[in-house]
Amino acid sequence: AQKITQTQPGMFVQEKEAVTLDCTYDTSDPSYGLFWYKQPSSGEMIFLIYQGSYDQQNATEGRYSLNFQKARKSANLVISASQLGDSAMYFCAMREGRTGANSKLTFGKGITLSVRP
Amino acid sequence: ETGVTQTPRHLVMGMTNKKSLKCEQHLGHNAMYWYKQSAKKPLELMFVYNFKEQTENNSVPSRFSPECPNSSHLFLHLHTLQPEDSALYLCASSQGGTSYEQYFGPGTRLTVT
Repeated sequence: AQKITQTQPGMFVQEKEAVTLDCTYDTSDPSYGLFWYKQPSSGEMIFLIYQGSYDQQNATEGRYSLNFQKARKSANLVISASQLGDSAMYFCAMREGRTGANSKLTFGKGITLSVRP
Repeated sequence: ETGVTQTPRHLVMGMTNKKSLKCEQHLGHNAMYWYKQSAKKPLELMFVYNFKEQTENNSVPSRFSPECPNSSHLFLHLHTLQPEDSALYLCASSQGGTSYEQYFGPGTRLTVT
């Protein structure tokens, strides 16, 4: 079974509107972390937001928020007030086990987001 | 220079060539990683180094040989590659301990002809 599932086809959103990118995960480890990364056409993976499995509140970072539903094993990324520069690939990733220097991330296949002016 | 840098950004090599990819992090991190990103596939972790010691080799073929001379530099030596090795190779670093984010470089786009 895939550990990280991102099944949405290419997503489109109108500038200034909000968009939700879906991510479901599979793990039996009680301690894990969930990440979202953005990859523009330049190739660099840019860290956006992190949610720990024991965090009581949903993570937020500026226009990014993570809708963490532990029972459903979903960690959807919400981008508010979309900007043209948000057009990119978005990857959900998971680290199983506690934090540490050997953190291995498992990535999903990614979702392409296009923001329309 | 800030963050994680990678050179070269683009590389075309024949199957009999030997080349090296270089990664340097200016973040004072202790761990460094090599990932492979092929078209329409998730990122695949290749190697992990922690304080210069290799702690993970994700069943990578021996034609890929990593080297980590210090915590700031990471190399990936390439020899007798196959066309299916064409991909974007991403380097990342992280602090470890209580930190968690991995910071990525811009990648090297490798084409094997």
